[in-house]
Amino acid sequence: RKEVEQDPGPFNVPEGATVAFNCTYSNSASQSFFWYRQDCRKEPKLLMSVYSSGNEDGRFTAQLNRASQYISLLIRDSKLSDSATYLCVVNLLNVLGSTLGRLYFGRGTQLTVWP
Amino acid sequence: DAGVIQSPRHEVTEMGQEVTLRCKPISGHNSLFWYRQTMMRGLELLIYFNNNVPIDDSGMPEDRFSAKMPNASFSTLKIQPSEPRDSAVYFCASSLVAREETQYFGPGTRLLVL
Repeated sequence: RKEVEQDPGPFNVPEGATVAFNCTYSNSASQSFFWYRQDCRKEPKLLMSVYSSGNEDGRFTAQLNRASQYISLLIRDSKLSDSATYLCVVNLLNVLGSTLGRLYFGRGTQLTVWP
Repeated sequence: DAGVIQSPRHEVTEMGQEVTLRCKPISGHNSLFWYRQTMMRGLELLIYFNNNVPIDDSGMPEDRFSAKMPNASFSTLKIQPSEPRDSAVYFCASSLVAREETQYFGPGTRLLVL
């Protein structure tokens, strides 16, 4: 079983729409959670971290449910420039109680926003 | 401020040839990661280093792949001999392992093995 599972999509939405992506992770020991964004033929880049209390950055809202091991990303008022692949990312403590920075990436959810 | 630098950006080679990919992490970062991305398998971690020491190479496909980090500012990923199934985008990423573990990716090397 993969550490991080995501619906691959694609999601095709009109400008102005609200769209939500979901992600589940398998290991309850995961400590940190992120959403990365990857544009076509580009490298992944950090979009936002995900905190237990939920957090918002402009039109983007991230939520974490530790009990269900579930992470979500909500995009409001979609723009054409939001078209990209969104990667759900978690870390995992090793047996020594450290992550040493290793992250586990989901396969990504593809979003296309059309005019 | 320079980000992660990778070279070459594109590489086309013939099966059986040796391929060497290079990476310069962000100055001051102490962890370096090599990933491979394909449509079929997504983003896969091949190997990562912490303070120049390989920590986990369980993602390296087979003995044809090797990686080194001789110092804090340089790493190589070598494939010898290369095969068509090695065709992919290879990303290098670096991070400063602290409270936040944001990884910063280089632009990637697009490898095509004919």
